[in-house]
Amino acid sequence: EPEVTQTPSHQVTQMGQEVILRCVPISNHLYFYWYRQILGQKVEFLVSFYNNEISEKSEIFDDQFSVERPDGSNFTLKIRSTKLEDSAMYFCASRTNNEQFFGPGTRLTVL
Amino acid sequence: KQEVTQIPAALSVPEGENLVLNCSFTDSAIYNLQWFRQDPGKGLTSLLLIQSSQREQTSGRLNASLDKSSGRSTLYIAASQPGDSATYLCAVRPAGGTSYGKLTFGQGTILTVHP
Repeated sequence: EPEVTQTPSHQVTQMGQEVILRCVPISNHLYFYWYRQILGQKVEFLVSFYNNEISEKSEIFDDQFSVERPDGSNFTLKIRSTKLEDSAMYFCASRTNNEQFFGPGTRLTVL
Repeated sequence: KQEVTQIPAALSVPEGENLVLNCSFTDSAIYNLQWFRQDPGKGLTSLLLIQSSQREQTSGRLNASLDKSSGRSTLYIAASQPGDSATYLCAVRPAGGTSYGKLTFGQGTILTVHP
């Protein structure tokens, strides 16, 4: 069964460093998303991406964040200068019409 | 702004019990509602999706209902098993043409089923 994959599973970085989180959505899906979950808190929407552009973003998704679909398969989230408060689990998701399917997540730890 | 609340926050039951998890949302203008399962440190597994026009959906021992007008959904788990132990999340997708499908999540119900 097709699934969303994410790499790496765990990323440790120093504050101020840039990180890129990678996702491979399900191949025939058209809508792509990033969410995050800070430990012990709700899953929060960051950004949606459709037709090669951002379609919606939350207040969290400021200028430090960017997304890209560099080819036909990958979908990336870049954080330019990480902060301690960026430590969280980051989930990628994709969908066709209705149901969203989530990847296993990347745990980002900022030291 | 949509707010999603789940009750109870945690539930511990003996194996074999039938149980109900509750989800409420403040804005009834939803397109659909999804229930997810999350194991510790893991991703989200979709369990059931209910369209706004539907009243319920069933998958195996799981049954989810939706009362859109009152802003409520329930997840019923029949004959619970220790393997059902996980956090259960509900999430709503807003209706409307400007929405690209972002989900708003509740905080989850942590379920423990003990043998």
